[in-house]
Amino acid sequence: DAGITQSPRHKVTETGTPVTLRCHQTENHRYMYWYRQDPGHGLRLIHYSYGVKDTDKGEVSDGYSVSRSKTEDFLLTLESATSSQTSVYFCAISDQDYGYTFGSGTRLTVV
Amino acid sequence: QQQVKQSPQSLIVQKGGISIINCAYENTAFDYFPWYQQFPGKGPALLIAIRPDVSEKKEGRFTISFNKSAKQFSLHIMDSQPGDSATYFCAANRGGSRLTFGEGTQLTVNP
Repeated sequence: DAGITQSPRHKVTETGTPVTLRCHQTENHRYMYWYRQDPGHGLRLIHYSYGVKDTDKGEVSDGYSVSRSKTEDFLLTLESATSSQTSVYFCAISDQDYGYTFGSGTRLTVV
Repeated sequence: QQQVKQSPQSLIVQKGGISIINCAYENTAFDYFPWYQQFPGKGPALLIAIRPDVSEKKEGRFTISFNKSAKQFSLHIMDSQPGDSATYFCAANRGGSRLTFGEGTQLTVNP
């Protein structure tokens, strides 16, 4: 999607290992978000950021941490990956906390 | 907890038919109601959105109907096409809060 890039697109990792997903934007939007998508649960907010070094928890933040040292980058870290964190992760951006633009997602498998 | 309930979970429609997806919300402070469309392997994309000061918004074949007193809103897809086959998410928020998403509806339009 134009203006927002997620990396990697796919990742397989072992239980107990740390994993970092990256979201990069070129839109200079203030707000950035991490969601996970699972069947039957829709999109659930993990963490979000409203500025550099300003972050807050969403509804499913346990086991995840985030960092935003630059406007354009928002990192999601799974501190010690578990099988329950197997999911598709989406980053989103917005400039007014209304209309969100989503990235193409990262499919993470924890084995 | 702010919730948005979406139904049905899945919907099968014949080409040329009308697809209808419904959502109900609880928080009367919500003031923004978007619908997102997601194709397999892609991130959700904003399709159409409405504010509570109007009861209907139409963009091409897509219409949002909004019933403030019932706290419900729905997406109508007229003349449904196979290319409309996707997952649709409703969402809601108010300024300063994060979007809350429904669980999603998988729409299949048969040719």
